[in-house]
Amino acid sequence: EAQVTQNPRYLITVTGKKLTVTCSQNMNHEYMSWYRQDPGLGLRQIYYSMNVEVTDKGDVPEGYKVSRKEKRNFPLILESPSPNQTSLYFCASSLSKTRLASSTDTQYFGPGTRLTVL
Amino acid sequence: QKEVEQNSGPLSVPEGAIASLNCTYSDRGSQSFFWYRQYSGKSPELIMFIYSNGDKEDGRFTAQLNKASQYVSLLIRDSQPSDSATYLCAVKGGGFKTIFGAGTRLFVKA
Repeated sequence: EAQVTQNPRYLITVTGKKLTVTCSQNMNHEYMSWYRQDPGLGLRQIYYSMNVEVTDKGDVPEGYKVSRKEKRNFPLILESPSPNQTSLYFCASSLSKTRLASSTDTQYFGPGTRLTVL
Repeated sequence: QKEVEQNSGPLSVPEGAIASLNCTYSDRGSQSFFWYRQYSGKSPELIMFIYSNGDKEDGRFTAQLNKASQYVSLLIRDSQPSDSATYLCAVKGGGFKTIFGAGTRLFVKA
């Protein structure tokens, strides 16, 4: 089954304790992205990756790190989590290989990770 | 000004009516436009994408794009209670970033 998986689905942690949220896709997609979703603010892009070893900042990258060592995996790292990073996080992927408009821009989302930082 | 704006709603329509959802965007270089549906507690799922001016129909859904007015809309005909969800407008610019609106909550009353 074609899918994007995230782990863990739920996480409660404390301020300053490093954590990693994993994301994996089995669709051989080039493009992967991390979003956070907060009430009233919608989905905001944290980081995205156009290919292996190619990543770039989205709109809210502060406090987050990413890596793309393999095509299928795109982990999100919080080196020192703070309470303002409490949110619902989504990983997404798409086939997109071009800056031009294309149906391959369609993003497929993982199930989400609900993170609480105390 | 937000880059992608939507009315937060809630938009309430009776079953069988047409629901009209609207979205405006600020980047004139935007190329791809998407409507995602998100049920409470679930991840967004694609309903439609459009990148040419005009209308695009898929079943009960019609997306409309007007690049001159920087406006994209989604019409849902014969609305059903199962259409009750939050609808997210997403816009891809000339690069690789995708900007989402905050979403419009739709309630379809049986």
